[in-house]
Amino acid sequence: EAGVAQSPRYKIIEKRQSVAFWCNPISGHATLYWYQQILGQGPKLLIQFQNNGVVDDSQLPKDRFSAERLKGVDSTLKIQPAKLEDSAVYLCASSPRQGLSSGNTIYFGEGSWLTVV
Amino acid sequence: KQEVTQIPAALSVPEGENLVLNCSFTDSAIYNLQWFRQDPGKGLTSLLLIQSSQREQTSGRLNASLDKSSGRSTLYIAASQPGDSATYLCAVRQAMGSARQLTFGSGTQLTVLP
Repeated sequence: EAGVAQSPRYKIIEKRQSVAFWCNPISGHATLYWYQQILGQGPKLLIQFQNNGVVDDSQLPKDRFSAERLKGVDSTLKIQPAKLEDSAVYLCASSPRQGLSSGNTIYFGEGSWLTVV
Repeated sequence: KQEVTQIPAALSVPEGENLVLNCSFTDSAIYNLQWFRQDPGKGLTSLLLIQSSQREQTSGRLNASLDKSSGRSTLYIAASQPGDSATYLCAVRQAMGSARQLTFGSGTQLTVLP
């Protein structure tokens, strides 16, 4: 079974530039998550989708971050304009439909590493 | 707001030792608790999941316990090996709310010396 795919793996940009990350979840998984992990900290949820609807985006800095999940499959996370403090790993994860017992299991991609200089 | 704390932040042990990693959380109204492993430059891999009604889960040399009332969980690793070196993260899923948000601790970085 193919895992969660993310690209690009690494990105270096200057502050005030924009960047976009792409995620392809495991086939058939209804729930998709974007997490931000700053070095030395645990992942923090940015946004959670159920199919193509947003379930939780309470911690997404909406003035600069946006995310979409068209057709309930792939997702894109965009940062514009980037700040130095956005340097982090952006992890995408997916799980089967929430509400099922199998929905407890969450699978992570390897992350997209962003450095803002 | 749920807060998850992991102690110690880093741990170094000789190969073969049994060890315990600790996790505490402030809100006991949880749906489940998971332990993850993260290798450098990689994503997270789920190790064990304990439902709120359970007391412990075991997988191979790993045993995780949950005391929901006191807001604590431990991950026990038996006969540690150098391949166990990684960061171990604890995460709790809230029982309430449509999103049932998953909140992570900052992790314990484990080094097993050969």
